Amino acid sequence: DTAVSQTPKYLVTQMGNDKSIKCEQNLGHDTMYWYKQDSKKFLKIMFSYNNKELIINETVPNRFSPKSPDKAHLNLHINSLELGDSAVYFCASSQGGGDRGGYNSPLHFGNGTRLTVT
Amino acid sequence: AQSVTQLGSHVSVSEGALVLLRCNYSSSVPPYLFWYVQYPNQGLQLLLKYTSAATLVKGINGFEAEFKKSETSFHLTKPSAHMSDAAEYFCAVSVNNQGGKLIFGQGTELSVKP
Repeated sequence: DTAVSQTPKYLVTQMGNDKSIKCEQNLGHDTMYWYKQDSKKFLKIMFSYNNKELIINETVPNRFSPKSPDKAHLNLHINSLELGDSAVYFCASSQGGGDRGGYNSPLHFGNGTRLTVT
Repeated sequence: AQSVTQLGSHVSVSEGALVLLRCNYSSSVPPYLFWYVQYPNQGLQLLLKYTSAATLVKGINGFEAEFKKSETSFHLTKPSAHMSDAAEYFCAVSVNNQGGKLIFGQGTELSVKP
């Protein structure tokens, strides 16, 4: 029973292509996230959605477009891929997270999608 | 602005030895703090979290962390390292007024020698 699942696990593509990563969670959570982990293992949030509403949109090139068809799914589409987009992209989910204020509900992460742009 | 600093990008211990991974935070408000572990080719898994209920927090796999406000620290410890503890460990702080956004430290790779 995979709680947060991402597909594909590996994605190798050429510069200029467009690709998508899909994420699904079966935990019943209402908030989902995309994090990027670079080659030095540094993790940074990209986006978060709460009940299909965009909550967090960090300074990310507009070539990256998230889409949440329902609260159990959050996809990431990337246009015109560049070499610098190579990284591991993690999807995560939590219960809550759309409210203001401090937040203590833990995130549940998928196993990541390793994107390599050549 | 909130931030997290992990001292030491790599820590090596012998099996059975004490594990100490250091984390210092910066926050103008009482923080929510987390430790996550990442095994090779996997996602992050929650080890433990501090939410102001108790300063000594016990987590999974025998790990614990102590919140020290005076030192702005949240160091992770385990009395006796096991080979299976070898992994990357991340300290994180929840950003105030931004829902579930976490700011992560740069990570500490733990190696365990037989």
